[in-house]
Amino acid sequence: RKEVEQDPGPFNVPEGATVAFNCTYSNSASQSFFWYRQDCRKEPKLLMSVYSSGNEDGRFTAQLNRASQYISLLIRDSKLSDSATYLCVVSSYSGAGSYQLTFGKGTKLSVIP
Amino acid sequence: EAGVTQFPSHSVIEKGQTVTLRCDPISGHDNLYWYRRVMGKEIKFLLHFVKESKQDESGMPNNRFLAERTGGTYSTLKVQPAELEDSGVYFCASSQADRASYEQYFGPGTRLTVT
Repeated sequence: RKEVEQDPGPFNVPEGATVAFNCTYSNSASQSFFWYRQDCRKEPKLLMSVYSSGNEDGRFTAQLNRASQYISLLIRDSKLSDSATYLCVVSSYSGAGSYQLTFGKGTKLSVIP
Repeated sequence: EAGVTQFPSHSVIEKGQTVTLRCDPISGHDNLYWYRRVMGKEIKFLLHFVKESKQDESGMPNNRFLAERTGGTYSTLKVQPAELEDSGVYFCASSQADRASYEQYFGPGTRLTVT
């Protein structure tokens, strides 16, 4: 079982649509959770951290369910500029002395005019 | 403030050759990480420096990979000798502190192709 699993995608949605991404993680001791965004041939950039209480940043809403080891990202009113790959990322203590980020493979989103 | 920079952006080498990748972290960031993404796979952790010390190198694939961070500033990752399966994108990231919740800032990556 992969450590972080995401919807395989790709997601092709029209402008203005609402789209949801799901992610599950296997390490129950994971401590922090993030959604990163990666544009084609660019570096990953932090989109938002994810908290158990749920958090919202404009059109983006992230949720974490620790019991189910499940993370979600909801994008409302999709814009063309939202087209990118969305990476589900989990931070866990490695036991070898540091916090490591574990990435999902990512889900590609294309917002169509 | 300058972000994380990496050099070169692309490198094409033949199997058996040596390549050295460089990463300059954000100024003042003691924590420096190397990650790699091979084709079709997820980004994977390679190692973590705190200043000039290797804190965690549990992700290094084998002894053909050598990372250094002399002086605790920039870091190099040398692959010697390179093999075909080493092809991929090598990312460097830096962080103010090694805490689960702290953001890691990524560089643009070095795309390595071994032929």
